[in-house]
Amino acid sequence: GAVVSQHPSRVICKSGTSVKIECRSLDFQATTMFWYRQFPKQSLMLMATSNEGSKATYEQGVEKDKFLINHASLTLSTLTVTSAHPEDSSFYICSPFPREGYEQYFGPGTRLTVT
Amino acid sequence: DQQVKQNSPSLSVQEGRISILNCDYTNSMFDYFLWYKKYPAEGPTFLISISSIKDKNEDGRFTVFLNKSAKHLSLHIVPSQPGDSAVYFCAAKGEKSSGDKLTFGTGTRLAVRP
Repeated sequence: GAVVSQHPSRVICKSGTSVKIECRSLDFQATTMFWYRQFPKQSLMLMATSNEGSKATYEQGVEKDKFLINHASLTLSTLTVTSAHPEDSSFYICSPFPREGYEQYFGPGTRLTVT
Repeated sequence: DQQVKQNSPSLSVQEGRISILNCDYTNSMFDYFLWYKKYPAEGPTFLISISSIKDKNEDGRFTVFLNKSAKHLSLHIVPSQPGDSAVYFCAAKGEKSSGDKLTFGTGTRLAVRP
């Protein structure tokens, strides 16, 4: 399968600080990037969709000013959680969608803990 | 509104036997279905998929069956192995409904007993 990396894999931050999560597709170009989060024992919930070079589209209930997404290139996207609060603690997973192909692959995820 | 449902949160199977994981959906615009396997603190790993023009797709020990009239799909794993123990998510998408966005089910935790 395709190789997708996420960094960091795990981060602990204090309430009120910002955290940036990077997602890279290592062996393919991703025109579209999906960002998901998963709370314990729940399903993966789509947060936002971004296309390279354009603004992200956010799902209902997701604050665009709090979760900043940058998709500056076909191999890199970042998610910045601004002014993080304990309720933002979750498992964040990126999913780059390849320019060609129909399968969707996922990054290994980032565990964010806000204290 | 849960458009993709996995009604069994957990399943336990003896090694060597068949594991059957079920998934139901409500959106008739879904036309492509995928199964993912997920370990804790890892991203989902793609297993197998099926298009709505088919009713069966097989890949090694994994077979996915699709019953469009019942809006039901299932994943069969045979023979089951201890390494198959994980959470399995079904997912669906439809070009005419949500484009490339995947809608995930709630997951079924499979435990394969040695």
